[in-house]
Amino acid sequence: GQQVMQIPQYQHVQEGEDFTTYCNSSTTLSNIQWYKQRPGGHPVFLIQLVKSGEVKKQKRLTFQFGEAKKNSSLHITATQTTDVGTYFCAGPWDVKTSYDKVIFGPGTSLSVIP
Amino acid sequence: DTEVTQTPKHLVMGMTNKKSLKCEQHMGHRAMYWYKQKAKKPPELMFVYSYEKLSINESVPSRFSPECPNSSLLNLHLHALQPEDSALYLCASSQDQAGGSYNEQFFGPGTRLTVL
Repeated sequence: GQQVMQIPQYQHVQEGEDFTTYCNSSTTLSNIQWYKQRPGGHPVFLIQLVKSGEVKKQKRLTFQFGEAKKNSSLHITATQTTDVGTYFCAGPWDVKTSYDKVIFGPGTSLSVIP
Repeated sequence: DTEVTQTPKHLVMGMTNKKSLKCEQHMGHRAMYWYKQKAKKPPELMFVYSYEKLSINESVPSRFSPECPNSSLLNLHLHALQPEDSALYLCASSQDQAGGSYNEQFFGPGTRLTVL
C-alpha cells in the first residue's frame, strides 16, 4: 500500500538555527500540503504544492516539491520560539477511489531552545 | 468568517452513555471531515461529507455515527464507546473535497473526549 514517511520524527534546535523536515512518499502525488500544529492546538494549513519542482516561500519558510512529485521538504531559516510545533505533510496517498483522500503523514515535532 | 467551531471543548462519558459532538462552519464549504487524533500522532481521517452526503467512511466502528443536517453543520453521535476511543476529535472543512484543485482544510479546535 501507499507509504509516507517524515524525517526526522523529532528535532531540537537552538533558536536561530535552521530546520528542515522531509516528507517521502512511495507513490507519485498530484499535490502535497503542509500543516502546523502547535502544542495543544489544531492543525493549521500552511501551503499546497502542485507542480513538479515547485518552490514556495512564506517569510522564513521554504517549501519544495520534488521533481518526481514523490517527496517534499519544509525548511525554516533562523528558527524562533514561535516555530515550535508539529509539522505534518498531507497528501492524497490513496488514489484507488474516484476521489482522493488527504491523509496526514506522521509529523515532525520541532522544539526550539531559546 | 474563517472559523470552524466545535462543541463541547471537553467531554467525559461512560461506556454506556450517548453523546454528540457538534461542528459548524459558515464559510460556504461543501466538504466537512471528522478526524481522530491520539497524543503525538497525526490526525486520522474518519469520515468525509461532500455536499451533505457521506462520501468516505474509513471503516470506523458503528459506535461512531456521523450526521450532516445541512451544509454548515456536522455532528458525530457517540454510543457505547470504549476507553481506547479517548482522543481529540477534530472537525475540518474545505471548499470542496480534498484532492480537488483547491482543498485547504480549516480545522476546528477539537473536542477532547475521555471515555471512562
